[in-house]
Amino acid sequence: QKEVEQDPGPLSVPEGAIVSLNCTYSNSAFQYFMWYRQYSRKGPELLMYTYSSGNKEDGRFTAQVDKSSKYISLFIRDSQPSDSATYLCAMSARTGFQKLVFGTGTRLLVSP
Amino acid sequence: DTGVSQNPRHKITKRGQNVTFRCDPISEHNRLYWYRQTLGQGPEFLTYFQNEAQLEKSRLLSDRFSAERPKGSFSTLEIQRTEQGDSAMYLCASSFGGVAGEQYFGPGTRLTVT
Repeated sequence: QKEVEQDPGPLSVPEGAIVSLNCTYSNSAFQYFMWYRQYSRKGPELLMYTYSSGNKEDGRFTAQVDKSSKYISLFIRDSQPSDSATYLCAMSARTGFQKLVFGTGTRLLVSP
Repeated sequence: DTGVSQNPRHKITKRGQNVTFRCDPISEHNRLYWYRQTLGQGPEFLTYFQNEAQLEKSRLLSDRFSAERPKGSFSTLEIQRTEQGDSAMYLCASSFGGVAGEQYFGPGTRLTVT
């Protein structure tokens, strides 16, 4: 069983929809949680970074962490065709040096 | 451009050849990471440098792989006697020291072993 599970999709939504992306994990030591966006044949781009449980909002993006359920989410409001990409969750157990453990990524398609 | 840069962007090589990739991190970042990503998977950690010291290596990094970071600036990743299973995207990331340490990735080097 993988430490981090993520539905590979694809997830297809119309423009303007609210998108919910999720990951579950098994290692209770994880305390730093990140979401990356990756366009085809490009490197991952850091979107959100949260520590421990709670919510964090940045523009159209909201990240939620529920450590009791070992479940993290990324919400995208007013989705745009330019949001079409693969979204990777990543997490780490340690401060400073952070060996990131990634999910497989969810491919999101936003149609005009 | 002040982001992480990687060269070359693409490399096609024949099985058994040696290849070397270069990563230039964001200038003020003292931590540098290498990851490998295969199709349909998330990146997997390979190794980590703090300044010039290589502090951790994954068991994925067989003895055919070697990484260096002379003078704590750019880093190189060499693969000797390449195998078809080495075909992947090799990603470099860097971060600033401290508690947070968000990692910023470069565009990657796509390796194809024929």
